[in-house]
Amino acid sequence: DTGVSQNPRHKITKRGQNVTFRCDPISEHNRLYWYRQTLGQGPEFLTYFQNEAQLEKSRLLSDRFSAERPKGSFSTLEIQRTEQGDSAMYLCASSPSGEQFFGPGTRLTVL
Amino acid sequence: GQQLNQSPQSMFIQEGEDVSMNCTSSSIFNTWLWYKQDPGEGPVLLIALYKAGELTSNGRLTAQFGITRKDSFLNISASIPSDVGIYFCAGQRTINQAGTALIFGKGTTLSVSS
Repeated sequence: DTGVSQNPRHKITKRGQNVTFRCDPISEHNRLYWYRQTLGQGPEFLTYFQNEAQLEKSRLLSDRFSAERPKGSFSTLEIQRTEQGDSAMYLCASSPSGEQFFGPGTRLTVL
Repeated sequence: GQQLNQSPQSMFIQEGEDVSMNCTSSSIFNTWLWYKQDPGEGPVLLIALYKAGELTSNGRLTAQFGITRKDSFLNISASIPSDVGIYFCAGQRTINQAGTALIFGKGTTLSVSS
């Protein structure tokens, strides 16, 4: 399968814990995006990488959130000191230029 | 901020019927995309539209990019049970020198009874 992959698919954590998600984009896609989706809503943009450079961050991305793409391939999204409001589906998308192709997402539940 | 208004919010139809849903925006977009999302999965790209007035088909799906660049619609003909899901429109905006981000509508939930 050559699509976008994300791990883990599901994560349950207690409030205050740190969590890290991984995204493997489609090979050779130089653009990588993170989105967050809550129930009943469409995905909302969080951040964008072109190769290894993080070029844009949404105001939704608080100081507790950090994303990296160290070698311009896979990316990680870390949430520190999780809060119940962080519960959502975290989606990764990659793109060669215009169209964005999404992974299956990581469903985070913060208890 | 930019928002997309997607309607209807939900639809309940019989198998074989045609479906139409639309999306409007207060802002102009240069690209419109339509995605379908199944429960617990990520959105899957259905159709991308790049030019005002463009009409594009993908099997039983047809989408159009409005002339004003502020709206788009998606039609599904002869619906089948596997069409069930949530359909999202998305407008693409430039966020940086070469990057773009998608602004999504809230989705149209389609239910098909056989």
